[in-house]
Amino acid sequence: DAGVTQSPTHLIKTRGQQVTLRCSPKSGHDTVSWYQQALGQGPQFIFQYYEEEERQRGNFPDRFSGHQYPNYSSELNVNALLLGDSALYLCASSRRSQGWQPQHFGDGTRLSIL
Amino acid sequence: AQTVTQSQPEMSVQEAETVTLSCTYDTSESDYYLFWYKQPPSRQMILVIRQEAYKQQNATENRFSVNFQKAAKSFSLKISDSQLGDAAMYFCAYRSAGDSWGKLQFGAGTQVVVTP
Repeated sequence: DAGVTQSPTHLIKTRGQQVTLRCSPKSGHDTVSWYQQALGQGPQFIFQYYEEEERQRGNFPDRFSGHQYPNYSSELNVNALLLGDSALYLCASSRRSQGWQPQHFGDGTRLSIL
Repeated sequence: AQTVTQSQPEMSVQEAETVTLSCTYDTSESDYYLFWYKQPPSRQMILVIRQEAYKQQNATENRFSVNFQKAAKSFSLKISDSQLGDAAMYFCAYRSAGDSWGKLQFGAGTQVVVTP
């Protein structure tokens, strides 16, 4: 049973560029959440997707956008990259019908901005 | 808005000994869930233990147990018989029961160092 998978594992970009991170949820899960974890800090909620729509959003600018596909996989897009966007980006999945069951996390994508 | 505070940046423990990690949270809600997650160098967040606020009994999972004090808004994690594999970053997290989408609010984390 495959867990949450994220790609790539590590990415290096320069300021002003755009980046796309990808996530495949755990088998049987239909809801995907994205978190940003800056160095030495706890994860911060970016947004959550269900049925291909953004359902909830944290305090992040519009430069951060996402998408969910019919197979439940998801993408996180960040435009006009800033040095402060350097972080570990975590994807978490869950099954909406299971209510409060905890989310399962992937290994994350380490994004470095030069 | 809820906030989660972990006041111990790092805790050191010897193998086979016990260590307790503290977590406090601020909320006006009466129904919520609390979690402890472990993040080893592999980066994956692994659920250690969870507690429902409406339950008075403290949760236990093998060597891991919590001390949940609802009135004090405190949720500490005790690791008994510490093992080298317990070395990791530990995060306390809060989830509102009224939030059907399950957004997690994390603390800043506590680094656990296990010495032989």
